[in-house]
Amino acid sequence: GQNIDQPTEMTATEGAIVQINCTYQTSGFNGLFWYQQHAGEAPTFLSYNVLDGLEEKGRFSSFLSRSKGYSYLLLKELQMKDSASYLCAVRAHNNAGNMLTFGGGTRLMVKP
Amino acid sequence: KAGVTQTPRYLIKTRGQQVTLSCSPISGHRSVSWYQQTPGQGLQFLFEYFSETQRNKGNFPGRFSGRQFSNSRSEMNVSTLELGDSALYLCASSSMGGDNEKLFFGSGTQLSVL
Repeated sequence: GQNIDQPTEMTATEGAIVQINCTYQTSGFNGLFWYQQHAGEAPTFLSYNVLDGLEEKGRFSSFLSRSKGYSYLLLKELQMKDSASYLCAVRAHNNAGNMLTFGGGTRLMVKP
Repeated sequence: KAGVTQTPRYLIKTRGQQVTLSCSPISGHRSVSWYQQTPGQGLQFLFEYFSETQRNKGNFPGRFSGRQFSNSRSEMNVSTLELGDSALYLCASSSMGGDNEKLFFGSGTQLSVL
């Protein structure tokens, strides 16, 4: 089976930097996704990592260490609109197609 | 391009009833997957359809079923509803369901079972 852990809630200040961690245990790792979900809305894709290292995309970056079963999402220059849930999801080799296993999500609150 | 469309947006049913939810994927997308989202369990995979065939199935009882039509639209059905089935049901589509393809989610159907 697969197990994904991420903090339930985090709070940060507007303009600051926040790092949301995700640890996973899975056999046959085949990629890790980060999604953002605002309350009452659809999850939207943020990033994808399959190789070790950092992927940067504007204010958002995602890091992966396969040997440690660890990823983080880094949000810089926080804005109030970044208040949302951030979902970590893992795909495994033995799951063809789009069978992703999601963590419980991290609810981020950005304060002025 | 229009996004993933799910209908209805909200639904209220009573225990024992059955319900059918609909999902229209992004035009050209052939993979449609369904997820259940609850506050306690997060997002859990139900099943995935590709070219009208179920390609993957999660750990849900047989009361949960689905199908996909030739135009890639998909429906999921839940029979003999239980209180615990109250959840947000999300549909997601992608082009082929390949390894690095991202999922595009619809806004979901919020099902309340009374």
